[in-house]
Amino acid sequence: NAGVTQTPKFQVLKTGQSMTLQCAQDMNHNSMYWYRQDPGMGLRLIYYSASEGTTDKGEVPNGYNVSRLNKREFSLRLESAAPSQTSVYFCASHPPPEQYFGPGTRLTVT
Amino acid sequence: GQQLNQSPQSMFIQEGEDVSMNCTSSSIFNTWLWYKQDPGEGPVLLIALYKAGELTSNGRLTAQFGITRKDSFLNISASIPSDVGIYFCAGQGPSGNTPLVFGKGTRLSVIA
Repeated sequence: NAGVTQTPKFQVLKTGQSMTLQCAQDMNHNSMYWYRQDPGMGLRLIYYSASEGTTDKGEVPNGYNVSRLNKREFSLRLESAAPSQTSVYFCASHPPPEQYFGPGTRLTVT
Repeated sequence: GQQLNQSPQSMFIQEGEDVSMNCTSSSIFNTWLWYKQDPGEGPVLLIALYKAGELTSNGRLTAQFGITRKDSFLNISASIPSDVGIYFCAGQGPSGNTPLVFGKGTRLSVIA
């Protein structure tokens, strides 16, 4: 039982490049979330999926897209990366109201 | 939208001291959660509170759900070096299936 897994752990992109961050959970949770964490800003919600087949915007969705591929997997895509998207990205899943977080992806956009 | 004010932003304490941090909300929450984040890791759930007035312990950690449902505090007794990290509060409003609202965190440093 791995909990919430994320890949990759680290990534460096050039401005304008695209990439997809992968997240998977093996706890059979319905809800999944993507957050970004920046110094002094805490955790800010980008997108979430309350159940398979649904996605909703969070606090900071601009520049991102998501796909809830199935109950286990929820991916976050940056179509054209910008330096402002340099951050640590966390995926989480939950049986409401508790949440369980993945180990994070540290992304740098140059 | 709902906002959480978490304080203090950071603390430097001596090993063995007790620590207290709190969160206040502009609106009512039905659930309060406390997380700890170690450097380079994701947040880990420490304590979950589900009822106003509830007081729950997890080892040296004690958390309370405020009677007004707009605040919560976390105490750590007899701090040790491995308590270092960022502590986050989070709450969920009465709607039930809405995302958690997170505080901005309290960064704890323990001086041995």
